[in-house]
Amino acid sequence: EVQLLESGGGLVQPGGSLRLSCAASGFTFSNYAMSWVRQAPGKGLEWVSFMRSRNYGGMTEYAASVKDRFTFSRDEPTDLAFLQMDSLKTDDTAVYYCVRHLDYDLLTTYWGQGTLVTVSS
Amino acid sequence: QPVLTQSPSASASLGASVKVTCTLSSGHKTYSIAWHQQRPGRGPRYLLKVNSDGTYKRGAGIPDRFTGSASGTERALIISRLQSDDEADYFCQTWGTGMVFGGGTKLTVL
Repeated sequence: EVQLLESGGGLVQPGGSLRLSCAASGFTFSNYAMSWVRQAPGKGLEWVSFMRSRNYGGMTEYAASVKDRFTFSRDEPTDLAFLQMDSLKTDDTAVYYCVRHLDYDLLTTYWGQGTLVTVSS
Repeated sequence: QPVLTQSPSASASLGASVKVTCTLSSGHKTYSIAWHQQRPGRGPRYLLKVNSDGTYKRGAGIPDRFTGSASGTERALIISRLQSDDEADYFCQTWGTGMVFGGGTKLTVL
């Protein structure tokens, strides 16, 4: 069974840092592209970052709102993806979802259950 | 960069059918889109992909009550034989510079 399990969320002060993890299981992690998508309380979905599989070049992209503050990485031997979030702002408060995509068909996705990040003093 | 526009709400009766629509910005009418369902308090779930020619492909385990269609810049999700647990937010999504989402349609099952 395919599973994406996010962890690492919590309460952090503005300007602080947090690292989210996404543990993948039930599929060959190295064959898939991954994204992070967030949802602020009561709001819609906002794409955060994307990474191709190593087979497709491993390139990463970031939304303008997080570029230069967030870093997406993945560790294929352990089937883990990470989102390092620095210089956090109150606007970053959201549930963060880990998402899997087929590299050759990015629309075909699978979602994790999410982890809540609250940025507040 | 494509823009996706959805009506904020829709409603239909238990057992009936409903069509939820998503409109692509002009200049992007060849784009395929995906539909995702988000039940209250839950994470999103991928339902299906709709191509510009109207063909669609459901995700694994998605019931055949969920189908798709396309006409011009409109992409639709059709839900037949509505059930109470179809009451949810439905988001359309495509790719531009990253994933691009519509604002979502809240479906009420009467």
